[in-house]
Amino acid sequence: GAGVSQSPSNKVTEKGKDVELRCDPISGHTALYWYRQSLGQGLEFLIYFQGNSAPDKSGLPSDRFSAERTGGSVSTLTIQRTQQEDSAVYLCASSQEAPLEQYFGPGTRLTVT
Amino acid sequence: AQTVTQSQPEMSVQEAETVTLSCTYDTSESDYYLFWYKQPPSRQMILVIRQEAYKQQNATENRFSVNFQKAAKSFSLKISDSQLGDAAMYFCAYRSYSGGGADGLTFGKGTHLIIQP
Repeated sequence: GAGVSQSPSNKVTEKGKDVELRCDPISGHTALYWYRQSLGQGLEFLIYFQGNSAPDKSGLPSDRFSAERTGGSVSTLTIQRTQQEDSAVYLCASSQEAPLEQYFGPGTRLTVT
Repeated sequence: AQTVTQSQPEMSVQEAETVTLSCTYDTSESDYYLFWYKQPPSRQMILVIRQEAYKQQNATENRFSVNFQKAAKSFSLKISDSQLGDAAMYFCAYRSYSGGGADGLTFGKGTHLIIQP
């Protein structure tokens, strides 16, 4: 079956602009995760959604970051007023239930110029 | 907070040989999961193997096996009969059993595995 998909694959944006990154989880997976992968910080966990429940936003790096998940499926990660330090690969993952294996998407490479 | 340490930034092995990647972790929990993920240049993170902390038996998946030492908080990955397709970044990851998944995965910094033909 289809895996986790993310769009766009690559995004170049100017400093100060807003960007939206999209994640389509595997059908039937209730848990969805966002991670950030950068050279300096490695892989960081950002946020977790379980179904339609409100997420714990404490892992988001700043209040410029927000995420939502509509209808318990597709998720969007939004970064407002992008900064150069936001440049990274943003990975999305989903799992059938929270403790089980997470399946990752191919990521979105964000470059802020 | 949990931490995961991979002390080998890069490893090189001859094709068909065996290589072991090291991982240590720090936690105060008794129940948790450990994973090895592979990330080729395509960026796609692929699950290689999983170990539940309550299981004493080491997990194996074909050419991949782990040496899980709970008391030492060590979780190494052994790759037997290395193949060119094994070349990738390998990440060790920790997952708390409690909390319903809210903590996500904690990753090590990764080991870059090079396969010499």
